[in-house]
Amino acid sequence: QKEVEQDPGPLSVPEGAIVSLNCTYSNSAFQYFMWYRQYSRKGPELLMYTYSSGNKEDGRFTAQVDKSSKYISLFIRDSQPSDSATYLCARGSNDMRFGAGTRLTVKP
Amino acid sequence: DTGVSQDPRHKITKRGQNVTFRCDPISEHNRLYWYRQTLGQGPEFLTYFQNEAQLEKSRLLSDRFSAERPKGSFSTLEIQRTEQGDSAMYLCASSSPGHGYTFGSGTRLTVV
Repeated sequence: QKEVEQDPGPLSVPEGAIVSLNCTYSNSAFQYFMWYRQYSRKGPELLMYTYSSGNKEDGRFTAQVDKSSKYISLFIRDSQPSDSATYLCARGSNDMRFGAGTRLTVKP
Repeated sequence: DTGVSQDPRHKITKRGQNVTFRCDPISEHNRLYWYRQTLGQGPEFLTYFQNEAQLEKSRLLSDRFSAERPKGSFSTLEIQRTEQGDSAMYLCASSSPGHGYTFGSGTRLTVV
């Protein structure tokens, strides 16, 4: 079993939609979780990170961790075509382990 | 500081040749990581350094792969006797405690 599991999609939504991206993780000892965005042929860039449980909001993005179900979510409100990218969830520790990434397309 | 720099951006090599990639991390970051990413997959952890010490290596890092970080600054990743299965994007990232990882743009390796 991989440490972080993520549905690879692809996911296609119209502009302005609310997007929900999800991951599950295997080890309840994990406490740091990150979301990265990766555009084609570029390195991943950090969007948000959360520690332990709860929500964290940054503009149109909300990251959520549910430790009881070992579930990580990223919500994007008012999605824009510029949000089209691959979104990677990851668990942090001394090193970072990623999910497979979900490819998102926001259509104008 | 312009972030994490990787060189070259692209490398095409013949099977059996050796290749070396370089990563220059953000100067104040003491940790440096190497990842490999293939199409449609997330980055896979290869190895990481804290300063000049290599603290962990993935089993993905076969004996044809070697990484160094002399003096705790830049790092090199060498692949000997390349195989077609080595074709991938090789990503470098750096971090320091309390900070997220910053990735470079990667080196895309194609083995023909």
